[in-house]
Amino acid sequence: EAGVAQSPRYKIIEKRQSVAFWCNPISGHATLYWYQQILGQGPKLLIQFQNNGVVDDSQLPKDRFSAERLKGVDSTLKIQPAKLEDSAVYLCASSLVGGGKRFFGPGTRLTVL
Amino acid sequence: TQLLEQSPQFLSIQEGENLTVYCNSSSVFSSLQWYRQEPGEGPVLLVTVVTGGEVKKLKRLTFQFGDARKDSSLHITAAQPGDTGLYLCAGNWENYGGSQGNLIFGKGTKLSVKP
Repeated sequence: EAGVAQSPRYKIIEKRQSVAFWCNPISGHATLYWYQQILGQGPKLLIQFQNNGVVDDSQLPKDRFSAERLKGVDSTLKIQPAKLEDSAVYLCASSLVGGGKRFFGPGTRLTVL
Repeated sequence: TQLLEQSPQFLSIQEGENLTVYCNSSSVFSSLQWYRQEPGEGPVLLVTVVTGGEVKKLKRLTFQFGDARKDSSLHITAAQPGDTGLYLCAGNWENYGGSQGNLIFGKGTKLSVKP
C-alpha cells in the first residue's frame, strides 16, 4: 500500500515570497491533516479536512496560510507571504476517519531566508 | 503553556542499555499515543493507550499508562542503534476544546543509541 506522498521534499525561499506544498493521502482516507513541526518541537495541527470540508483550522494563520482539498483527495498548503518564523517541516497525514490512526508523509522542509 | 511535558529532552546511551522516557500532563488524557520519528521522515505510530494502568508491549518496548491517566512512560530494554530517533507522545484531553482530530504533541525525546 502506498503511503502519504508529499512534494517538494525541500524548499528554500526568501521572506515575503510565496510557496506551495502538495500532499496525496493514502487512497480511501477521508481525513487529511496538515501539521507544522518547528525544529525542536512536536508537530502542531494547522488544518484538518474531512473529504473536501474543513473540520478544524483554528491554528491556521489565515492572514498568510491557506489550504484546499477541492476534490476530497489531494491537498495543497500555501504560504503567502512567507516569514522567517515559517521555517519548519510541513507534515501531511491522513486517516480513514477523523481521529483514526494517522499515517504521516515524509514532510517538506521549508527554509525561509 | 505546554500541555504535555516530555523528559528527558535528549538521551544518548550505549547499545544494550535500558532506558525510560516520560510524558506528563496536569490534565487527564482521554487517550495517549507514542510515535517514533526518524530524521527526514514523518512520525510513525507505535501504540495507543486508553485505560488507566494499561501496559502494552511491542517487542523490546514497554508502554505504561498511569492509573490516573495523566502520565505515561516508554521503556526500552537492551537498546539497539535502530532505536535511534525522536520519540513523541501525543494526547487528547477530556476537557480540551479542540476537534476530535487535534492531538497535542509533546516536544519529544531525542534518543541516540551508539554501537
